Amino acid sequence: DVVMTQSPLSLPVTLGQPASISCRSSQSLVYSDGNTYLNWFHQRPGQSPRRLIYKVSNRDSGVPDRFTGSGSGTDFTLKISRVEAEDVGIYYCMQGTHWPGTFGQGTKVEIK
Amino acid sequence: QVQLQESGPGLVKPSETLSLTCTVSGGSISGYYWSWIRQPPGKGLEWIGYMYYTGGANYNPSLKSRVIISPDTSKNQFSLTLTSVTAADTAVYYCARGARFYDYWGHGTLVTVSS
Repeated sequence: DVVMTQSPLSLPVTLGQPASISCRSSQSLVYSDGNTYLNWFHQRPGQSPRRLIYKVSNRDSGVPDRFTGSGSGTDFTLKISRVEAEDVGIYYCMQGTHWPGTFGQGTKVEIK
Repeated sequence: QVQLQESGPGLVKPSETLSLTCTVSGGSISGYYWSWIRQPPGKGLEWIGYMYYTGGANYNPSLKSRVIISPDTSKNQFSLTLTSVTAADTAVYYCARGARFYDYWGHGTLVTVSS
Protein backbone atom coordinates (compact mmCIF):
# COMPACT_ATOMS: atom_id res chain seq x y z
CA ASP A 1 0.00 0.00 0.00
CA VAL A 2 1.07 3.60 -0.58
CA VAL A 3 2.10 5.15 2.71
CA MET A 4 1.03 8.73 3.30
CA THR A 5 3.15 10.56 5.86
CA GLN A 6 1.94 13.85 7.30
CA SER A 7 3.90 16.37 9.32
CA PRO A 8 3.56 17.77 11.81
CA LEU A 9 1.07 15.53 13.62
CA SER A 10 0.21 18.34 16.03
CA LEU A 11 0.06 22.00 15.04
CA PRO A 12 -0.71 24.68 17.62
CA VAL A 13 -1.42 27.93 15.83
CA THR A 14 -2.25 31.51 16.73
CA LEU A 15 -5.48 32.96 15.37
CA GLY A 16 -4.80 35.01 12.27
CA GLN A 17 -1.45 33.38 11.64
CA PRO A 18 -0.61 31.02 8.74
CA ALA A 19 -0.35 27.26 9.04
CA SER A 20 1.13 24.61 6.80
CA ILE A 21 0.78 20.82 6.69
CA SER A 22 3.04 18.55 4.68
CA CYS A 23 2.02 15.24 3.14
CA ARG A 24 4.45 12.87 1.47
CA SER A 25 3.61 9.67 -0.39
CA SER A 26 5.78 6.58 -0.74
CA GLN A 27 5.11 6.53 -4.49
CA SER A 28 4.30 9.10 -7.14
CA LEU A 29 0.60 9.94 -7.16
CA VAL A 30 0.40 10.71 -10.87
CA TYR A 31 -2.22 8.40 -12.38
CA SER A 32 -2.14 7.02 -15.92
CA ASP A 33 -4.77 9.57 -16.98
CA GLY A 34 -2.41 12.38 -16.02
CA ASN A 35 -4.33 13.38 -12.91
CA THR A 36 -2.93 13.35 -9.39
CA TYR A 37 -5.57 12.09 -6.98
CA LEU A 38 -4.45 13.79 -3.80
CA ASN A 39 -7.21 15.09 -1.55
CA TRP A 40 -7.33 16.99 1.73
CA PHE A 41 -10.05 16.51 4.34
CA HIS A 42 -10.94 18.34 7.54
CA GLN A 43 -12.63 16.55 10.42
CA ARG A 44 -14.07 18.36 13.42
CA PRO A 45 -14.68 16.39 16.63
CA GLY A 46 -17.76 14.21 16.34
CA GLN A 47 -18.23 15.01 12.67
CA SER A 48 -17.54 13.22 9.42
CA PRO A 49 -14.62 14.36 7.29
CA ARG A 50 -15.27 17.17 4.86
CA ARG A 51 -13.32 17.40 1.65
CA LEU A 52 -11.50 20.69 1.21
CA ILE A 53 -9.22 20.07 -1.75
CA TYR A 54 -9.25 17.51 -4.57
CA LYS A 55 -6.66 16.68 -7.22
CA VAL A 56 -3.95 18.56 -5.33
CA SER A 57 -5.18 22.12 -5.65
CA ASN A 58 -8.88 22.29 -6.50
CA ARG A 59 -10.89 23.88 -3.72
CA ASP A 60 -14.34 22.44 -3.05
CA SER A 61 -17.42 24.63 -3.24
CA GLY A 62 -17.84 26.68 -0.09
CA VAL A 63 -14.25 26.22 1.07
CA PRO A 64 -12.71 29.57 2.02
CA ASP A 65 -9.92 30.79 -0.21
CA ARG A 66 -7.57 30.91 2.76
CA PHE A 67 -7.08 27.17 2.10
CA THR A 68 -4.58 26.35 -0.63
CA GLY A 69 -3.33 22.97 -1.81
CA SER A 70 -0.15 22.53 -3.77
CA GLY A 71 2.50 20.00 -4.71
CA SER A 72 3.31 17.31 -7.21
CA GLY A 73 4.62 13.77 -7.48
CA THR A 74 5.16 12.67 -3.89
CA ASP A 75 5.26 15.96 -2.03
CA PHE A 76 2.16 17.97 -1.15
CA THR A 77 1.19 20.85 1.13
CA LEU A 78 -1.97 22.33 2.57
CA LYS A 79 -1.68 25.95 3.63
CA ILE A 80 -4.05 28.08 5.65
CA SER A 81 -3.23 31.72 5.09
CA ARG A 82 -4.86 33.02 8.30
CA VAL A 83 -6.16 30.49 10.80
CA GLU A 84 -9.66 31.05 12.16
CA ALA A 85 -11.29 29.39 15.16
CA GLU A 86 -13.45 27.16 12.93
CA ASP A 87 -10.32 25.63 11.38
CA VAL A 88 -9.50 23.51 14.44
CA GLY A 89 -9.72 19.76 14.03
CA ILE A 90 -7.81 17.05 12.23
CA TYR A 91 -6.61 17.37 8.65
CA TYR A 92 -6.01 14.28 6.53
CA CYS A 93 -4.39 13.88 3.17
CA MET A 94 -5.61 10.96 1.11
CA GLN A 95 -4.42 9.40 -2.15
CA GLY A 96 -6.82 7.83 -4.61
CA THR A 97 -4.28 7.09 -7.33
CA HIS A 98 -3.12 3.66 -6.20
CA TRP A 99 -5.16 0.70 -4.98
CA PRO A 100 -6.21 0.74 -2.13
CA GLY A 101 -6.72 4.39 -1.34
CA THR A 102 -4.83 5.43 1.77
CA PHE A 103 -4.99 8.26 4.27
CA GLY A 104 -2.28 10.06 6.19
CA GLN A 105 -2.19 9.77 9.98
CA GLY A 106 -3.84 13.14 10.43
CA THR A 107 -2.61 16.51 11.69
CA LYS A 108 -4.36 17.98 14.71
CA VAL A 109 -4.70 21.75 14.46
CA GLU A 110 -5.49 23.61 17.65
CA ILE A 111 -5.46 27.22 18.75
CA LYS A 112 -2.65 28.31 21.08
CA GLN B 1 -27.62 18.67 -2.24
CA VAL B 2 -26.64 15.02 -2.05
CA GLN B 3 -27.05 13.51 1.40
CA LEU B 4 -25.99 10.10 2.68
CA GLN B 5 -27.28 8.31 5.77
CA GLU B 6 -25.87 5.15 7.26
CA SER B 7 -28.14 2.74 9.11
CA GLY B 8 -27.79 -0.63 10.82
CA PRO B 9 -27.18 -2.29 14.17
CA GLY B 10 -24.87 -0.52 16.58
CA LEU B 11 -23.82 -3.73 18.30
CA VAL B 12 -22.61 -6.95 16.69
CA LYS B 13 -21.33 -10.08 18.41
CA PRO B 14 -17.89 -11.45 17.63
CA SER B 15 -17.81 -13.92 14.72
CA GLU B 16 -21.13 -12.61 13.42
CA THR B 17 -21.89 -10.46 10.37
CA LEU B 18 -22.00 -6.67 10.28
CA SER B 19 -24.56 -5.26 7.83
CA LEU B 20 -24.99 -1.58 7.09
CA THR B 21 -27.02 0.36 4.54
CA CYS B 22 -26.33 3.76 3.05
CA THR B 23 -29.36 5.66 1.78
CA VAL B 24 -28.66 8.38 -0.75
CA SER B 25 -31.01 11.34 -1.13
CA GLY B 26 -30.87 14.46 -3.28
CA GLY B 27 -29.31 12.52 -6.14
CA SER B 28 -29.13 9.11 -7.76
CA ILE B 29 -26.58 6.41 -7.10
CA SER B 30 -26.59 5.77 -10.84
CA GLY B 31 -23.52 6.96 -12.65
CA TYR B 32 -21.28 7.12 -9.62
CA TYR B 33 -18.88 5.11 -7.48
CA TRP B 34 -19.72 4.68 -3.80
CA SER B 35 -17.44 3.78 -0.92
CA TRP B 36 -17.35 2.64 2.66
CA ILE B 37 -14.68 4.01 5.01
CA ARG B 38 -14.21 3.32 8.70
CA GLN B 39 -12.53 4.97 11.67
CA PRO B 40 -11.74 3.06 14.87
CA PRO B 41 -12.31 5.17 18.01
CA GLY B 42 -9.57 7.76 18.36
CA LYS B 43 -7.77 6.54 15.25
CA GLY B 44 -7.39 7.38 11.58
CA LEU B 45 -9.39 6.56 8.48
CA GLU B 46 -9.36 3.24 6.64
CA TRP B 47 -10.91 2.78 3.25
CA ILE B 48 -12.93 -0.47 3.07
CA GLY B 49 -13.95 -0.62 -0.56
CA TYR B 50 -15.99 0.87 -3.34
CA MET B 51 -18.58 -0.20 -5.85
CA TYR B 52 -19.96 1.13 -9.09
CA TYR B 53 -23.73 1.52 -9.26
CA THR B 54 -23.90 -1.38 -11.72
CA GLY B 55 -22.45 -3.69 -9.08
CA GLY B 56 -18.75 -4.03 -9.83
CA ALA B 57 -16.71 -3.63 -6.66
CA ASN B 58 -13.18 -3.37 -5.36
CA TYR B 59 -12.10 -4.02 -1.79
CA ASN B 60 -9.19 -3.24 0.48
CA PRO B 61 -6.99 -6.37 0.31
CA SER B 62 -6.77 -6.40 4.09
CA LEU B 63 -10.52 -7.03 4.28
CA LYS B 64 -11.25 -8.54 0.90
CA SER B 65 -12.12 -12.04 2.06
CA ARG B 66 -14.78 -10.69 4.46
CA VAL B 67 -16.37 -7.78 2.60
CA ILE B 68 -19.18 -7.34 0.12
CA ILE B 69 -20.44 -3.95 -1.07
CA SER B 70 -23.52 -4.01 -3.28
CA PRO B 71 -26.10 -1.60 -4.74
CA ASP B 72 -29.86 -1.47 -4.61
CA THR B 73 -30.72 1.02 -7.32
CA SER B 74 -34.47 0.61 -6.79
CA LYS B 75 -34.08 2.02 -3.27
CA ASN B 76 -31.18 4.36 -4.09
CA GLN B 77 -29.11 2.56 -1.50
CA PHE B 78 -25.95 0.54 -1.22
CA SER B 79 -24.87 -1.81 1.50
CA LEU B 80 -21.85 -3.14 3.37
CA THR B 81 -21.54 -6.69 4.62
CA LEU B 82 -18.56 -7.65 6.78
CA THR B 83 -18.37 -11.24 8.00
CA SER B 84 -16.59 -12.88 10.95
CA VAL B 85 -16.18 -9.64 12.87
CA THR B 86 -13.83 -9.18 15.80
CA ALA B 87 -13.23 -6.36 18.28
CA ALA B 88 -10.81 -4.88 15.74
CA ASP B 89 -13.79 -4.09 13.52
CA THR B 90 -15.24 -1.71 16.11
CA ALA B 91 -15.35 1.66 14.38
CA VAL B 92 -17.44 4.49 13.03
CA TYR B 93 -18.47 3.42 9.55
CA TYR B 94 -18.95 6.10 6.89
CA CYS B 95 -20.43 5.84 3.43
CA ALA B 96 -19.19 8.31 0.84
CA ARG B 97 -19.56 9.12 -2.84
CA GLY B 98 -16.60 8.40 -5.06
CA ALA B 99 -13.72 5.99 -5.46
CA ARG B 100 -10.69 8.28 -5.82
CA PHE B 101 -12.04 11.37 -4.09
CA TYR B 102 -14.96 11.53 -1.67
CA ASP B 103 -17.06 14.62 -2.13
CA TYR B 104 -20.09 13.64 -0.02
CA TRP B 105 -20.05 11.72 3.27
CA GLY B 106 -22.63 10.35 5.64
CA HIS B 107 -22.56 11.33 9.30
CA GLY B 108 -21.21 7.90 10.22
CA THR B 109 -22.53 5.16 12.47
CA LEU B 110 -20.69 3.57 15.38
CA VAL B 111 -20.59 -0.21 15.28
CA THR B 112 -19.29 -1.96 18.38
CA VAL B 113 -18.25 -5.61 18.26
CA SER B 114 -18.81 -7.13 21.67
CA SER B 115 -20.51 -10.08 23.26
